[in-house]
Amino acid sequence: DSGVTQTPKHLITATGQRVTLRCSPRSGDLSVYWYQQSLDQGLQFLIQYYNGEERAKGNILERFSAQQFPDLHSELNLSSLELGDSALYFCASSVTQGLGSPLHFGNGTRLTVT
Amino acid sequence: TQLLEQSPQFLSIQEGENLTVYCNSSSVFSSLQWYRQEPGEGPVLLVTVVTGGEVKKLKRLTFQFGDARKDSSLHITAAQPGDTGLYLCAGSDSGNTPLVFGKGTRLSVIA
Repeated sequence: DSGVTQTPKHLITATGQRVTLRCSPRSGDLSVYWYQQSLDQGLQFLIQYYNGEERAKGNILERFSAQQFPDLHSELNLSSLELGDSALYFCASSVTQGLGSPLHFGNGTRLTVT
Repeated sequence: TQLLEQSPQFLSIQEGENLTVYCNSSSVFSSLQWYRQEPGEGPVLLVTVVTGGEVKKLKRLTFQFGDARKDSSLHITAAQPGDTGLYLCAGSDSGNTPLVFGKGTRLSVIA
């Protein structure tokens, strides 16, 4: 058990809809990262927060947004969903804010857009 | 853009065999990490290597970082069915760029 909790585990929704994915980092970790995993692209970095502030942005679409709350949990909001957004979305956490830090991953949310 | 190429993409072997998987790049990395991911779960960190030429052992797994810090290998001795999974390498060229992941080697060890 990595200590990182993600909910929900599965999400099925229709195109055009909006969903929210939730992540609680490992106790003591201040950094939260969001990754998207698809079969053809592998793990792609979306965004990182450190202690409530956005730290780095990767290949995150404008339809996607995230935030980290004072209690350090994070949410990833995906809107105007398209079929191509179907993927596994992982949250990871680390103690430091260094982008190369070893990561502790949750078990992901599998999003299916129909 | 940094890229990490992993090979082979798929590997199916019998229990007890040895194997090596590779992680290559044209970029220099300040550190490289190896993760294993099992179905339905997130990647789990196995090891971090930071020094060129460094070798780390984790039971039957041996990790090596290339001298030029552009490549790495993972060698498994006497593979067991419990080693089955997706092996991912990830690198960062500094603390200011996010980890870049390879697409992984999917290993299947058959009893």
